[in-house]
Amino acid sequence: ETGVTQSPTHLIKTRGQQVTLRCSSQSGHNTVSWYQQALGQGPQFIFQYYREEENGRGNFPPRFSGLQFPNYSSELNVNALELDDSALYLCASSLVPAETQYFGPGTRLLVL
Amino acid sequence: EDQVTQSPEALRLQEGESSSLNCSYTVSGLRGLFWYRQDPGKGPEFLFTLYSAGEEKEKERLKATLTKKESFLHITAPKPEDSATYLCAVQFLNAGNNRKLIWGLGTSLAVNP
Repeated sequence: ETGVTQSPTHLIKTRGQQVTLRCSSQSGHNTVSWYQQALGQGPQFIFQYYREEENGRGNFPPRFSGLQFPNYSSELNVNALELDDSALYLCASSLVPAETQYFGPGTRLLVL
Repeated sequence: EDQVTQSPEALRLQEGESSSLNCSYTVSGLRGLFWYRQDPGKGPEFLFTLYSAGEEKEKERLKATLTKKESFLHITAPKPEDSATYLCAVQFLNAGNNRKLIWGLGTSLAVNP
């Protein structure tokens, strides 16, 4: 059984650019949640996708958008990057929305 | 206000020195409390899910317990490899009957050899 995978592992972008982060969910899981984690903070919920539909969103601006594909993998897109977007971006998958979430290794994004 | 608070923020133990981490919550309609371990720069690793007061779960040197207002993560005879940040998350039903998940800020544990 394959766990949650994320790509890339690290990324450096400049302010104003756009970025796409990718996540493959654990086998059999149809729900993917995305989180932003700043250094020394707990994960902040961005949004969740369940069966290709958005199923909840945190307090993030519209320039944070996502997508879930028929194989339940997912993308997180961030437009007009700001310096404060520098963080560890975590993807978690679960069997269904209410069940235990299993996290990927994260993508470290640095915005210069 | 719905809130999850973890204490202490940081804890330094000697190898073999047992202790407990606390996760207190002020939510109604608890649907689950989750404990995770996170190593620096990595994704959280799932440890336990607790659903109701009185429930206990164990894994190696870790034991999680749950009451109506808080959860404890007991670490017995810790080893240096137990050094990590331990995160707590609480799932509950909000006023609109929607499931929400709130995360604590974590306890950073350092175990010295």
